[in-house]
Amino acid sequence: KQEVTQIPAALSVPEGENLVLNCSFTDSAIYNLQWFRQDPGKGLTSLLLIQSSQREQTSGRLNASLDKSSGRSTLYIAASQPGDSATYLCAVRRYGGSQGNLIFGKGTKLSVKP
Amino acid sequence: DVKVTQSSRYLVKRTGEKVFLECVQDMDHENMFWYRQDPGLGLRLIYFSYDVKMKEKGDIPEGYSVSREKKERFSLILESASTNQTSMYLCASSSLGLAGDNEQFFGPGTRLTVL
Repeated sequence: KQEVTQIPAALSVPEGENLVLNCSFTDSAIYNLQWFRQDPGKGLTSLLLIQSSQREQTSGRLNASLDKSSGRSTLYIAASQPGDSATYLCAVRRYGGSQGNLIFGKGTKLSVKP
Repeated sequence: DVKVTQSSRYLVKRTGEKVFLECVQDMDHENMFWYRQDPGLGLRLIYFSYDVKMKEKGDIPEGYSVSREKKERFSLILESASTNQTSMYLCASSSLGLAGDNEQFFGPGTRLTVL
């Protein structure tokens, strides 16, 4: 059974710091991995999607990496800002599963202090 | 930009009522999903649909049903609402993505309270 874990559950950093959020999954047979951002009481915003054949994806100050063999992904945020404060979720689409088989981690709640 | 909209941001219903949650997407996506999100449990898939009139159960379908009569619209139905269905409900859509590139896009969510 695929399980997705995000550590730490919460993180507080000063503005300007570079930071890394971690995501691990137990079954390396995945189609893709997606990182989302969720603001309090809101829906999820897709940040980056990495296909299983890719090693990393970049969007602005965000860089996501994928190491399928070790079952890990990281989301790197450069020069953090207070507006980056949110909960960050990762999710994997399990290979061989149906189209709906997206397994989510429980998220890392990030707080960036001015 | 993909846009997924949900009919209500906040909804308060009474136990036993029939509740309809509506979701509409404007990107001609084949797949649509309903999740619920609860503290400590994360997101859990209730149902999804990969085509008009087609549906598949997710992890927690009990107490729910769905309807997809048109490609752009996916409805979640609580036949007889109960207090344990108080939750945040999130709708999502994605393209068919047989190559694995089917990024999911989410709506703003509906916070349902059942009294």
